Order: sequence, then structure tokens, then C-alpha cells
Amino acid sequence: GQQLNQSPQSMFIQEGEDVSMNCTSSSIFNTWLWYKQDPGEGPVLLIALYKAGELTSNGRLTAQFGITRKDSFLNISASIPSDVGIYFCAVSGNTPLVFGKGTRLSVIA
Amino acid sequence: SQTIHQWPATLVQPVGSPLSLECTVEGTSNPNLYWYRQAAGRGLQLLFYSVGIGQISSEVPQNLSASRPQDRQFILSSKKLLLSDSGFYLCAWIPGMTEAFFGQGTRLTVV
Repeated sequence: GQQLNQSPQSMFIQEGEDVSMNCTSSSIFNTWLWYKQDPGEGPVLLIALYKAGELTSNGRLTAQFGITRKDSFLNISASIPSDVGIYFCAVSGNTPLVFGKGTRLSVIA
Repeated sequence: SQTIHQWPATLVQPVGSPLSLECTVEGTSNPNLYWYRQAAGRGLQLLFYSVGIGQISSEVPQNLSASRPQDRQFILSSKKLLLSDSGFYLCAWIPGMTEAFFGQGTRLTVV
């Protein structure tokens, strides 16, 4: 099946710091998605990217669809305690939605 | 509006016992439904998906099975649970192969 390489696997940051995480694939995809999972809950969609090179923001979150269509990154600015959780990238193509292994974010107040 | 229900929320089962997790969707018809498993601290592993009644696709051969007896019902089952079946199971509805709507999840502990 398709493999997504998501990094870093985990991050510990101070409140107020900026965060950056990325996701890469060996295959080309037409849609990249970023989800957040709060502890004990199902993931929720944060940002959807449909066009290569597209840069999209959602509040303090910014995500970009790589120009090669093989990668994407997610930035979080001025982190706050409620940013804690697992962030997943996902891709959509001719196969069911595939998720990366996630980046676990911990925010130290 | 569409709603996805999943139960039970938590389950503790002995090794060798059967399993049945249920997922239902409201507010839509002929939904594409998915079962994912998340091991502790790990990513989401796609187990099964279904595009219609009686249609099941399996992504990973294992000790589990799935059924779609009704349009808006998706069931995950096992005849005999293994310790390695422990995890957080998530049902999802994915319209149009983009945004996924997840249920609240079932935390299964096999003891």
C-alpha cells in the first residue's frame, strides 16, 4: 500500500513557539490533508490542499501542498496548550484515504 | 446534518472471546465507510472499507472481519480475539475521498 513519511514523530515545545512538521511520499497525489487528533477522540480535518503549490491558512495554522505533489508541510505559529495532540497528514487519490503515522505534539506551558 | 455513531466507547475482552463493534451513519445514504485501527501512540491503519451493502474490501489480512448488513451500518468483528488486537478502533465516513468524519472511537483492551 501507499506509504507516507511524516516527521518528526514527536515534538516537545514551549508555549508560544512556532512548530513545523512535514509529510512526504514517493508517489504523486492530487489532494493533501492535515488532521488533528485530540486525546481519546477521532481525528478532525484542519486543512485540505487541492492544488500543487497551494498555501492555505486556518487561524494560526498554515499548510502548503508541495510543487512536486509528493510532499506537504504544516506550520503552527505561537503554540498554545490546546495545540497538544497528534497531527496526521493524509492523501487522497485513486485509493482509500491514507494517513501518515502522525506527529505527537506536546506543549509545555 | 450527517452524524456518525460508534459504540461501545471502551471494551475489555479476554483473549479468545468474540468481538462486535458497530458503526452507524445518519443523514446520508450509500456512504463510503471505513474501519481504522490505531495502536498506542501510533498512526492510523486502514483495516476495511465498504462502498455499499455487502461490499467489503480488506486492506490487511488479520484476525478481524467486517460486514455491511445495511446501507448505513458497518460492523467490525472477530471470532477469537488476540492480545495484538488491542487498540483504538475508529469508524469513518469519507464522502468524495477527501474529508473524513470519524466516530468517537472504541478503545479495546484484550486481556
